[in-house]
Amino acid sequence: DAKTTQPPSMDCAEGRAANLPCNHSTISGNEYVYWYRQIHSQGPQYIIHGLKNNETNEMASLIITEDRKSSTLILPHATLRDTAVYYCIVREGGSNYKLTFGKGTLLTVNP
Amino acid sequence: EAGVTQFPSHSVIEKGQTVTLRCDPISGHDNLYWYRRVMGKEIKFLLHFVKESKQDESGMPNNRFLAERTGGTYSTLKVQPAELEDSGVYFCASSQNRGRQTQYFGPGTRLLVL
Repeated sequence: DAKTTQPPSMDCAEGRAANLPCNHSTISGNEYVYWYRQIHSQGPQYIIHGLKNNETNEMASLIITEDRKSSTLILPHATLRDTAVYYCIVREGGSNYKLTFGKGTLLTVNP
Repeated sequence: EAGVTQFPSHSVIEKGQTVTLRCDPISGHDNLYWYRRVMGKEIKFLLHFVKESKQDESGMPNNRFLAERTGGTYSTLKVQPAELEDSGVYFCASSQNRGRQTQYFGPGTRLLVL
């Protein structure tokens, strides 16, 4: 089962920041937080990942709380093309790198 | 650099027939994964190859599914015989065998068993 909890849906206005929360209270010390998204029926697209420090790339920022029990994915200026299902995934440690997907959050960006 | 490719993009077969799905990983990626999403369910892990070896096949649903990766390059996933409940989208992903091993997904193969 997925080790994360996400709201089923969120709305955001185009041009505004989208903040997607994720709870992962049982995360272990060597487990990373990964974010993927799935636009319509395409394959999951990698967005960003982190361990304990905040991370930023050209797509998004990832804010991880100090106790690592929750995180927030931030899309700084959402566009209509960012409408997708966003998955927060805690990737198992060791040599088992399989991803366990939950239901994710359907983000709808409105004009 | 080319991404993960999958063939075919769509397949419609009748119950009892055989279907073979193919995945070509990103060049140089030793890790290859198969996942699938069946109707109304979450995306589920099927198995993981490291080069030509099966590292983890705990997600394979039953012995009607056979995955191979001869030579450690492309992989095939054969379903024989196909059943109605096998309908869904089959995704392949690949990653390097060093660093954080981020997985990159292909577009998927949409399988419909009638």
